Amino acid sequence: RKEVEQDPGPFNVPEGATVAFNCTYSNSASQSFFWYRQDCRKEPKLLMSVYSSGNEDGRFTAQLNRASQYISLLIRDSKLSDSATYLCVVGTSGTYKYIFGTGTRLKVLA
Amino acid sequence: DAMVIQNPRYQVTQFGKPVTLSCSQTLNHNVMYWYQQKSSQAPKLLFHYYDKDFNNEADTPDNFQSRRPNTSFCFLDIRSPGLGDAAMYLCATSRQGGDRGYTFGSGTRLTVV
Repeated sequence: RKEVEQDPGPFNVPEGATVAFNCTYSNSASQSFFWYRQDCRKEPKLLMSVYSSGNEDGRFTAQLNRASQYISLLIRDSKLSDSATYLCVVGTSGTYKYIFGTGTRLKVLA
Repeated sequence: DAMVIQNPRYQVTQFGKPVTLSCSQTLNHNVMYWYQQKSSQAPKLLFHYYDKDFNNEADTPDNFQSRRPNTSFCFLDIRSPGLGDAAMYLCATSRQGGDRGYTFGSGTRLTVV
């Protein structure tokens, strides 16, 4: 089993739709969680950290479920510019390494 | 602005000819990482430095070496590039404690001919 797993997609959604991605992790000692966005042939950029209580940034909402060991990203009112690959990144306390999921590709269609 | 800078953005090298990629940071982060990313794959960690302490991943080929002469700079040396080493190479930094994830450079896309 991979340490961090994501559905690779692609998720093809119309503009204005709401879309959600999940990411599961296997190490129960994981302490830090992030969503990164990566555009084609560009570097990953931090979209948002994921906090235990859940957090929201505009149209984006991230949640953590420790019991089931997954994090989620919800995008409301999808824009064409949201088309990208969304990478789940998980860190474990006591290490300086972060584990990447393989990413979920999103295509927002006009 | 504080940032992570990678040079060059694009590098073409000949099969078997040593090549060095560079990374510098103005964030004063004590941890620096090198990742290799191939098309449609997740970034794969090659190694990282915590200050001057070097940490190699078990599956990183011996062909890949790294140097960190000071806090700001880190280099990736590929001693004998093969066609399979063509990829995007990403440098990243993080602060001790790592609760804010990585800051990535813009990457160097390596082509081997």
